[in-house]
Amino acid sequence: GAVVSQHPSWVICKSGTSVKIECRSLDFQATTMFWYRQFPKQSLMLMATSNEGSKATYEQGVEKDKFLINHASLTLSTLTVTSAHPEDSSFYICSARGTIDEQFFGPGTRLTVL
Amino acid sequence: QKEVEQDPGPLSVPEGAIVSLNCTYSNSAFQYFMWYRQYSRKGPELLMYTYSSGNKEDGRFTAQVDKSSKYISLFIRDSQPSDSATYLCAMNADSTLTFGKGTMLLVSP
Repeated sequence: GAVVSQHPSWVICKSGTSVKIECRSLDFQATTMFWYRQFPKQSLMLMATSNEGSKATYEQGVEKDKFLINHASLTLSTLTVTSAHPEDSSFYICSARGTIDEQFFGPGTRLTVL
Repeated sequence: QKEVEQDPGPLSVPEGAIVSLNCTYSNSAFQYFMWYRQYSRKGPELLMYTYSSGNKEDGRFTAQVDKSSKYISLFIRDSQPSDSATYLCAMNADSTLTFGKGTMLLVSP
C-alpha cells in the first residue's frame, strides 16, 4: 500500500506556542489529504480536508484560525496548531486519498501541551 | 441514529478463534467499504476494501458486505495475539469517509 509519513511523531510544547505537523505521501501524489484528531479510546474525528493549491475545508466546530492547514504540494500538507493550550493535547493523524477514495494514514503525531 | 454503528467491545478471544467484527449503516449512498486496523498510538492501517455485496478474502481476513441489510463484517481466521488492535470500519460516499467508533479486539495466547 501507499506510504504516508508524519513528522514529528510526538511533541511537547508550552502553552501559547505554535506547533507545526508535516504530512507527506512518500510514493504517490495526493491531491487531497485529511487531518484527523483522536482522543483516547475514541474514533477519528475529521478536522479538515486539505486540497493541493486551494484553501482547506474545515469541519463544523473546528477553528480555521487555530488550526492552519497548508497543502503547498502534491506530497506535503502541514497542520499548524497556533497558540496551543492543554485542551489541544491529542493524537493528530493525517491521511492521503488514494485512487478509489480509500485513505492511507500516517503514523500520527502525539501533541502534549503543558 | 448515527450513520455507522460499531460495537466498541472489547472483544476477547483465545488464540486460534474465528473473530467476527461488524458494522451497520443507514446511508444507502455508501459505495466503498473498508476495514482499518489501528494499534495503540499508531495510525490506522488499511486492511480490506470492498465495493460490491459479497465476500472478499485476503489471507486470514474475509470482508463481507450485505448492502440489502446495510451490514458489513470482517472475519479473522486463526486469530493471533498480534491481531490485538482496534478495528475500524469505514464507508465512502461523495469522497468522504465515515468511520465507525472501532472495536477493540484482544486475542489471548
